[in-house]
Amino acid sequence: DAGVTQSPTHLIKTRGQHVTLRCSPISGHKSVSWYQQVLGQGPQFIFQYYEKEERGRGNFPDRFSARQFPNYSSELNVNALLLGDSALYLCASSFQVRGGAASSYEQYFGPGTRLTVT
Amino acid sequence: DAKTTQPPSMDCAEGRAANLPCNHSTISGNEYVYWYRQIHSQGPQYIIHGLKNNETNEMASLIITEDRKSSTLILPHATLRDTAVYYCIAPTPSNTGKLIFGQGTTLQVKP
Repeated sequence: DAGVTQSPTHLIKTRGQHVTLRCSPISGHKSVSWYQQVLGQGPQFIFQYYEKEERGRGNFPDRFSARQFPNYSSELNVNALLLGDSALYLCASSFQVRGGAASSYEQYFGPGTRLTVT
Repeated sequence: DAKTTQPPSMDCAEGRAANLPCNHSTISGNEYVYWYRQIHSQGPQYIIHGLKNNETNEMASLIITEDRKSSTLILPHATLRDTAVYYCIAPTPSNTGKLIFGQGTTLQVKP
C-alpha cells in the first residue's frame, strides 16, 4: 500500500512569488495535516483538514492557505514568499480526527517538499 | 497538550539497547504518549504509542511509569540506521492531528 506522497520533492522560488504544494494521503485516511520544518528545528503545525473542512490552524500568517479535495488529497498554498519560508514542508495523514475521550491514532508523514526561496 | 522534556542527545553502541527517556509530569488521564523519529532529511516516522500499559511492536518497546509522569522508549538492538531525532509527544485527544514537536533527542548509534 502506498504511503503519503508529496509533490514536488524540491522547489526553488523567488521572493514575492506564490507556491502550491500537493499531498496525497494514504488510501482510506480522511485527515491531512501540514507542517513546516526549518533547518535545525522540529516540525511546526500549519493546518489540519478533515472531510474537506479546516479543523485546526497553527500560528502562521494569512499568506498560508490550504484546502482538501473530495478524494482527501490536499494543497498548501503560500503567497508572497519570503526568504524565511524556506523550509521542508511535510504532509501527514491519519484515519480520523478523533474518537472517544481516550482515543488515539497515529499520523503518517510523507517525505516532504523542500522549498527554497531566493 | 502535556509538556514533554527529553535529553538533547544520547549515544548508543551498535547492537546494544537504546533507552530514550521522556518526562511528561503534567499529562492527563486521556492523553497518550506518542513517539516519532526523524532520520535526516526525511519525514517523521511513527514508532509507537501508549496510554497506561507497556507496549511493544516490531520497532520498539514503550515503558510508561505507573504514575504516567515519564516513559522510556527502548530500541532493543540499535543499528546505525536508528540514528535519528526521537520525539516524545503527548497531545490532547482533540489535538492528535496537530502535533507539537519539541527539540527531541538526537540519538547517535556508534559502531
